[in-house]
Amino acid sequence: GEDVEQSLFLSVREGDSSVINCTYTDSSSTYLYWYKQEPGAGLQLLTYIFSNMDMKQDQRLTVLLNKKDKHLSLRIADTQTGDSAIYFCAEKAGADYKLSFGAGTTVTVRA
Amino acid sequence: DVKVTQSSRYLVKRTGEKVFLECVQDMDHENMFWYRQDPGLGLRLIYFSYDVKMKEKGDIPEGYSVSREKKERFSLILESASTNQTSMYLCASSRLAGDVYEQFFGPGTRLTVL
Repeated sequence: GEDVEQSLFLSVREGDSSVINCTYTDSSSTYLYWYKQEPGAGLQLLTYIFSNMDMKQDQRLTVLLNKKDKHLSLRIADTQTGDSAIYFCAEKAGADYKLSFGAGTTVTVRA
Repeated sequence: DVKVTQSSRYLVKRTGEKVFLECVQDMDHENMFWYRQDPGLGLRLIYFSYDVKMKEKGDIPEGYSVSREKKERFSLILESASTNQTSMYLCASSRLAGDVYEQFFGPGTRLTVL
């Protein structure tokens, strides 16, 4: 089955860049996602990348995909206190409608 | 904007009670999902549904059942609640728009079983 792994915690200083890493095992992944969960809320889609892309940039967010190593990363430039949240990596494999999620990385932004 | 609503934000039940968690989406999506979220474990899929009256087991269906009588509503049922079902429950619906597949989440129900 699918297995998505990410580190559990990241602490970053305000104004610095944050990099959240994720690895996955399913080579048939078609989409890879980053979701954000703020305290007490549901998950909100931040960005996604197709499996045939290497990089996607969206304002302060940069997603890098290394298909050979099955490694996905999310870089947040100029991290702000509002970026404190749990970030989930997820993959969609083939024609299946299910997503497989990682355990989530809790990002804490310190002043 | 897609809206997924869940009937309760917080719920406290006793062991052995039957518990209903309701989810409604307003965008005519075919697919709906129930997950539970636990610290360090991320989201785990309980059940999902591709269409009305259709259901499929996810990764952790034991102790749960679901009902989808109408397209917009997907209910999660705990037949006899147990303390190990204390968790955050998240509902989602999904769409395929062009080439993009996306799941939309409700705000979650935090269930405590005493």
